[in-house]
Parts: sequence; structure tokens; C-alpha cells
Amino acid sequence: RKEVEQDPGPFNVPEGATVAFNCTYSNSASQSFFWYRQDCRKEPKLLMSVYSSGNEDGRFTAQLNRASQYISLLIRDSKLSDSATYLCVVNTNAGKSTFGDGTTLTVKP
Amino acid sequence: DTEVTQTPKHLVMGMTNKKSLKCEQHMGHRAMYWYKQKAKKPPELMFVYSYEKLSINESVPSRFSPECPNSSLLNLHLHALQPEDSALYLCASSQLAAGGETQYFGPGTRLLVL
Repeated sequence: RKEVEQDPGPFNVPEGATVAFNCTYSNSASQSFFWYRQDCRKEPKLLMSVYSSGNEDGRFTAQLNRASQYISLLIRDSKLSDSATYLCVVNTNAGKSTFGDGTTLTVKP
Repeated sequence: DTEVTQTPKHLVMGMTNKKSLKCEQHMGHRAMYWYKQKAKKPPELMFVYSYEKLSINESVPSRFSPECPNSSLLNLHLHALQPEDSALYLCASSQLAAGGETQYFGPGTRLLVL
């Protein structure tokens, strides 16, 4: 079993749609959680950290369920510019980061 | 300035060559990382340096040799690589090598081994 598993995707949605990505992790000692986005042939960039209480940044909402070892990302009112690969990242307290395989989103006009 | 720079952007090398990848950050970060990313795969952690000391080596073959000359610089020395080592090599840095830290990635070096 992979340490971090994401929805396989790809997700193809029209502009304005709401889309949700899910991620599960196996290491119960994991300390911190992030969503990164990676555009084609570019480096990963932090989208948002994920907190136990849930957090929102504009159209993006991230949630964490430690009991179920589950992380989610919700994107509302999708824009064309949201098309990218979304990577779930789980860190141990030693700074070791494990990436999920990524979920590719394509937003179409 | 949240910039991590990497040189070169592209590198082609033969299996008998020796080359080095360079990474630099001036954010005062004390943790630096090397990742390897194959096409359509996520980045895989190779090495972590914390306060210029190697803290994590993810069982990387010895043909990859990291070096951290100072807190701003991170090198990856390459020798006798194999074609399957062709990939995007990403450098990242964070304030500390601790779980809650955001990592900032450089643009990567695309390596092709012939």
C-alpha cells in the first residue's frame, strides 16, 4: 500500500464547476499536510496547508480528518487557470515529505 | 523573495561523465532537499540537509553524492549515471527540517543520461 494515495483522476470539469479531491495516508505519525499544485513542466508550488480545523482560501477549502487519515481539497467555481496537477503532501516531524501521485484537473470552457 | 534557483536548467551527460547540479536560496532557510521526478510521477525525496548536515538519505545510490557547502548552497554530484536516472531533479528549501514547514521548490534541472 502506498503511503499517500490520491484519487486517480483525471478530472475534466466545465468552468464554474465544484470539484473535490481526496487523499489518504497510512502513517499515523504524520504531522503536517499540504496541497501543492504543479503545472506542466514546472515545479510544485504550495497551494495551501491543511489544518485540523479545516481552512479556506478564497475558492479553495482544505480539510483534514486525522481519525480517518484523510485529507480533501474542494475547489469552487473552477477557472481555466485551475487546470494543473494537484499533489497531496504528507510530512513527518523530521521533515520527510511524501507526495501522492497527483490528480490532474482540466477545466474546460 | 521566495526564490530557489537551480543550474543548469538542462543537462545531457554520458554514462561516464561527472557533472554537478547546483541549487541556491537566500531566504535564510536551514533545510534543503533534493527530489527526483520522473514524467507523470510525483517528486521522490532523495536527500534532506538540516543546518548543512545530511539528515535523511532515502537509500539513494552512491552515484548521486550531495554536498552542502554552506547554508545557501546545495550541490548534487553525479557520476556514472544510468539512462534510467534521466529525470527532473528538484531542489527545495524550508525554514527548518520540521514537519510543518512549507517547502519552496526551484524550477529543476532536466537531466538526460545517454
